[in-house]
Amino acid sequence: RKEVEQDPGPFNVPEGATVAFNCTYSNSASQSFFWYRQDCRKEPKLLMSVYSSGNEDGRFTAQLNRASQYISLLIRDSKLSDSATYLCVVAPLGGYSTLTFGKGTMLLVSP
Amino acid sequence: DGGITQSPKYLFRKEGQNVTLSCEQNLNHDAMYWYRQDPGQGLRLIYYSQIVNDFQKGDIAEGYSVSREKKESFPLTVTSAQKNPTAFYLCASSATGSYNEQFFGPGTRLTVL
Repeated sequence: RKEVEQDPGPFNVPEGATVAFNCTYSNSASQSFFWYRQDCRKEPKLLMSVYSSGNEDGRFTAQLNRASQYISLLIRDSKLSDSATYLCVVAPLGGYSTLTFGKGTMLLVSP
Repeated sequence: DGGITQSPKYLFRKEGQNVTLSCEQNLNHDAMYWYRQDPGQGLRLIYYSQIVNDFQKGDIAEGYSVSREKKESFPLTVTSAQKNPTAFYLCASSATGSYNEQFFGPGTRLTVL
C-alpha cells in the first residue's frame, strides 16, 4: 500500500460548486497532516495544517479521521483561482520530521 | 521580504557534467530540505539538514551531494552519477518547534541535454 494515496482526478467543477478530496495514509504513527496547493510548474504552498478536531479557513475545511487514516479537504463556493493540484502531506510527530507527499489531486474550476 | 530563493530558475547541462543548485533562506529556519519532482509524481526527498554542518540522506540521495556550511544556505550538487537528473528541484525549510510545516522556494527546473 502506498504511503499517501490520493485520487489524481482531474475533478472538473463549475464555479460556485462544492468539492471534496480525500487522502488515505498508511503509517499509523503519522501525527502531522497538511494540505498544500501547487499551481502548474510552481512550488507547493501550504494551504492548511490539519488538526485533530478539524479546522476551517474561509471556504476551506479540513478533517482528520485517525481511526480510518484519512484526511479530507472541502472547498465551498469554488473559484476559478482554486484550479490547482492539491497535495496531501503527512509526517511523524515532532521535530524536523520529513514529510511524505501524495501525488496530488487536480482540480479544474470552469466558468 | 523573508523567504526562500533558488537559482537558477532554469538550468541546462550536458550529460557527464556536475551542476550545483543554490538554495538560500532568510527565515532563520534551522532545517532545510531538497526534493525532486517528476511529472505526475509526488515529491521525493533527496537530502535534509537539521543543523549547520550536518545532513542526512533522504529516499533518493544517490547521485547527489549537499553541504550546510551556513544556516542560510543548502546547495545541492547533481553529479554525473545521477542517471536521470532531468526534474524539478525544490528546496524547503522549516522552523524550530514548528508543526513540521515546510515552506518551499520557487524551484529549479533542470534539463540534461
